[in-house]
Amino acid sequence: NAGVTQTPKFRILKIGQSMTLQCTQDMNHNYMYWYRQDPGMGLKLIYYSVGAGITDKGEVPNGYNVSRSTTEDFPLRLELAAPSQTSVYFCASSSGTANYGYTFGSGTRLTVV
Amino acid sequence: AQKVTQAQTEISVVEKEDVTLDCVYETRDTTYYLFWYKQPPSGELVFLIRRNSFDEQNEISGRYSWNFQKSTSSFNFTITASQVVDSAVYFCALSGSSADSWGKFQFGAGTQVVVTP
Repeated sequence: NAGVTQTPKFRILKIGQSMTLQCTQDMNHNYMYWYRQDPGMGLKLIYYSVGAGITDKGEVPNGYNVSRSTTEDFPLRLELAAPSQTSVYFCASSSGTANYGYTFGSGTRLTVV
Repeated sequence: AQKVTQAQTEISVVEKEDVTLDCVYETRDTTYYLFWYKQPPSGELVFLIRRNSFDEQNEISGRYSWNFQKSTSSFNFTITASQVVDSAVYFCALSGSSADSWGKFQFGAGTQVVVTP
């Protein structure tokens, strides 16, 4: 009963480096999301997907890219990392109806130095 | 656009005191859904409750209770007889039913609750 699995849990990047945050869910959920959490700011939506092959921008998409080749996986790509991308990143999934809550992953703490 | 406001940044209480967290929301949708999540110091996000816009009944679950009032666009959360384990950040979230808001949560900034023995 894994739910939503995120890797890695922690990462330190140098400015200009790139990396991919992995997210996998085993609940056959159509909807998947990436949020970032900055201190005292709540969670902001980066990208979301309503199914395999379909993605769309959220509130703060700049500096990120996503893909959704399968129902299970929704990786988040950071190109040319910047200090402003230092944050905690959460992946989440849902069954796709607005009245159901999200299942969140445990988060990835990213520091860009 | 949807908006969730949690005006209280931090609340500190002594164990066994009650604590109420305020949540005020804005939405143009006639059907919407409200949620509370708990984020303990370990960092994970734990689902607490979901409430539909057409169901204004208050709810009690153990030491937790929720007061939903559409007239004031509020969905407040009370912890009765607080315990140290209640120390966490609590987030209120809103999900709408329109094309723009469907399936996407708007989170408040969160309220840090500190319970001391």
